[in-house]
Amino acid sequence: QSVLTQPPSASGTPGQRVTISCSGSSSNIGSNVANWYQQLPGTAPKLLIYNNNQRPSGVPDRFSGSKSGTSASLAISGLQSEDEADYYCAAWDDSLNGRVFGGGTKLTVL
Amino acid sequence: QVQLVQSGAEVKKSGSSVKVSCKASGAIFSSNPISWVRQAPGQGLEWMGRIIPILDIATYAQKFQDRVTFTADKSTSTAYMEVSNLRSGDTAMYFCARETAGASGTYLALWGQGTLVTV
Repeated sequence: QSVLTQPPSASGTPGQRVTISCSGSSSNIGSNVANWYQQLPGTAPKLLIYNNNQRPSGVPDRFSGSKSGTSASLAISGLQSEDEADYYCAAWDDSLNGRVFGGGTKLTVL
Repeated sequence: QVQLVQSGAEVKKSGSSVKVSCKASGAIFSSNPISWVRQAPGQGLEWMGRIIPILDIATYAQKFQDRVTFTADKSTSTAYMEVSNLRSGDTAMYFCARETAGASGTYLALWGQGTLVTV
């Protein structure tokens, strides 16, 4: 059972906009920044969004992040087939004194 | 260009130990912590803990503090993760990742390629 809660799956057609939610609590997302990671099949995770809404160099601006209270969201606009991957949210948890992840959301591009 | 290069896949018997390495290629260790993340087959990511190599200070997630040990060799810019008394549930891909501090928090900016441990 993951500390952060994500929907197990999401889907969309090419060109659509998809949103993935991440629900936490006051000890993690509520008091710390949320980050998002993309894991393509058979590869290591890659940082996608940091500090709630910042994109590392090289990440397309189709990817955006937001945070409100104890929840965070990842939005992907102009969906492309290469976006098919697992997406994980993460945050530091002050109560656990450690990093926590969501269970992951498998994105399918129909 | 800095990379984290991990050691190769391991096959171990129950009750034995495994030690996985993570070398920072193209850079020396700084004050950035190195985290270790476990991913069981078909499952999500699980943070195991981290080590600050230049200080040799390790922090463990509660679930892993009994059988896991993090160490670092500053002279070779290599971090290590050892799991003792292996059991079948330890079969997983293990990733190392370098933590970076941003303006408001930290994140895992650079990841190793992963090491598959099969028990």
